[in-house]
This record gives sequence, C-alpha cells and structure tokens, in this order.
Amino acid sequence: AQSVTQLGSHVSVSEGALVLLRCNYSSSVPPYLFWYVQYPNQGLQLLLKYTSAATLVKGINDFEAEFKKSETSFHLTKPSAHMSDAAEYFCAVCVDTGRRALTFGSGTRLQVQP
Amino acid sequence: NAGVMQNPRHLVRRRGQEARLRCSPMKGHSHVYWYRQLPEEGLKFMVYLQKENIIDESGMPKERFSAEFPKEGPSILRIQQVVRGDSAAYFCASSPPTGQGLSETQYFGPGTRLLVL
Repeated sequence: AQSVTQLGSHVSVSEGALVLLRCNYSSSVPPYLFWYVQYPNQGLQLLLKYTSAATLVKGINDFEAEFKKSETSFHLTKPSAHMSDAAEYFCAVCVDTGRRALTFGSGTRLQVQP
Repeated sequence: NAGVMQNPRHLVRRRGQEARLRCSPMKGHSHVYWYRQLPEEGLKFMVYLQKENIIDESGMPKERFSAEFPKEGPSILRIQQVVRGDSAAYFCASSPPTGQGLSETQYFGPGTRLLVL
C-alpha cells in the first residue's frame, strides 16, 4: 500500500522568502503525485501533478515540485512567498489508476509573515 | 464549465438522524469520489463510483454509510443514524472517463461540513 508523509505540520515564512514544503511517499510501483491547496472552509485546488513525464513539474501561482525517485520525494517550492499563499497544502499519491483512490498526507499549514 | 458542486455546504443533524450529501460532477466527468476530512487531518478516501456502479468502497465504514451515483442526477452519500464522530467535512471529487486526457486527475468540490449535535 502507498503512503505519504509531509514533514512539518506548520511552516512559517516571511513574505518574499522561499517556500519549501516537504513530501515523501512510499510506493512499490511508479506513482502519480499531486499537490493540492486548501483555503479556509473551501475545497481542494490542484496546484500541480507528476505523471511520469518531466521530473520537474510547474504548477499554478509559480509553484513547482521535483520528483526524485532515489529520495522518494516530491517537495513543493516557490521562489517568493506572497501573503495570499497562506493556506493548507496537501501532498497526495495514486498508484493505481484503475483503483484511483488518492492517499493524502496530513497536510502542512503555511503561514506567511509580512 | 462549472466545477464540482456539492450541497448543502453546511448540514447540522442530531444524533440518530440521517444525513444526505449531494455531489454533481463536472460536466463530462463520469467518475465520482468521496473523501472525509476530520478536523486537523488530511482527506481519507471513502468510495469511488461510476454511473450506477460502485467501483471501490474500501474506505467506507461497514455500517450506516452508503453511496450511489444513479444514471440521472447527482451522487449521494448517505449516513444513517449519525453519531458525533461523523462530524467532518465530506468532499466529492470527479474525473474524466478513462482514456481521456487527465483521467487520473481529480477535481474537488467545496465540501459539505456536517455537524452532529
């Protein structure tokens, strides 16, 4: 079975600073990996996804993530944080498109300080 | 193209009552998924449906919970005899049919927040 670990339930950065949110996965077969963002009392919005094409994936709002098989990681980065980036971020994995269930990490709450 | 729609957005029930949560997938999507999010936790998969078929219900509690996706109309998640532990946000997601681009990508609705008193 697959699993996702997000290191750091809370991350705080200053506006303009680099954002790094960590995600490690466990899977016995090549995974599909996703990052979603959730704003308070809202649903999840897809930021980006990895589906075995390029290992560096670019998403919306200048976010990107790099798939590193050797490290079983899919960390999310953004060069310069904006106040509007404050939200909860979830990493998710799907290993069987036939079954399709996403397994989510526990989430990382990003705070952006002025 | 409207996104995934869920209603109601908020639902309050007393213990023992029934809760019905509705989900209309994005236009052209034939796959529907339900997830539950307990406070301060990530989302947990419950069930995956296609029209008139339950494909995977491995995440559904064995009792009191059921889901359907009829030929016409929205998908329904039904919780009978609710208990306080059922209080959570329930999210629906949808994806395109298999074989179409991005079929592995799930698009989420805004959720229904259920509170059991």
